[in-house]
Amino acid sequence: AQSVTQLGSHVSVSEGALVLLRCNYSSSVPPYLFWYVQYPNQGLQLLLKYTSAATLVKGINGFEAEFKKSETSFHLTKPSAHMSDAAEYFCAVSVNNAGNMLTFGGGTRLMVKP
Amino acid sequence: EPEVTQTPSHQVTQMGQEVILRCVPISNHLYFYWYRQILGQKVEFLVSFYNNEISEKSEIFDDQFSVERPDGSNFTLKIRSTKLEDSAMYFCASRATGGSGNTIYFGEGSWLTVV
Repeated sequence: AQSVTQLGSHVSVSEGALVLLRCNYSSSVPPYLFWYVQYPNQGLQLLLKYTSAATLVKGINGFEAEFKKSETSFHLTKPSAHMSDAAEYFCAVSVNNAGNMLTFGGGTRLMVKP
Repeated sequence: EPEVTQTPSHQVTQMGQEVILRCVPISNHLYFYWYRQILGQKVEFLVSFYNNEISEKSEIFDDQFSVERPDGSNFTLKIRSTKLEDSAMYFCASRATGGSGNTIYFGEGSWLTVV
């Protein structure tokens, strides 16, 4: 069975600083990996996904993530944080099986200080 | 941009009552899902639905839960006799085609509070 661990339930950065949100996965088969963002009082919105093409994936709002098989990681980064990036970020994994469902990490709440 | 819509956005119900949460998936999508998120906990998979039947369900999805696609557009989650521990945000989601690499699109969620 697959699983996802997000290190740090809360991350605080200053506006303009680098954002790094960590995600490690466990899967016995090649995974598909996703980052979703949840803004206050909204649903889950896809930021980006890795589907075995390029290991460096670019998403919306300037975010990107790199798949590192040797480290079983899929960390999310953004060079310069904006106040509008404050939200909860979820890493998720999916593998080819009957239901193809997503398994989520615990989420990381990103706070951006002015 | 097409989106998954859910109603109601909030519902408060008494323990033991039946609740139906409604969802309209994206119109050309074939795979439908319910997930839930108890406050402070992970988003958890409940059930997936394809071709008018459940394709997979988690251990959370016991006999108190059921899903239905009563017409060509709606997808519902019914909880027959709610318990306090059913209080959570319930997310409906849909996917156009099969394959784990295809994006699952989520609705904004329905907050259920059982008192």
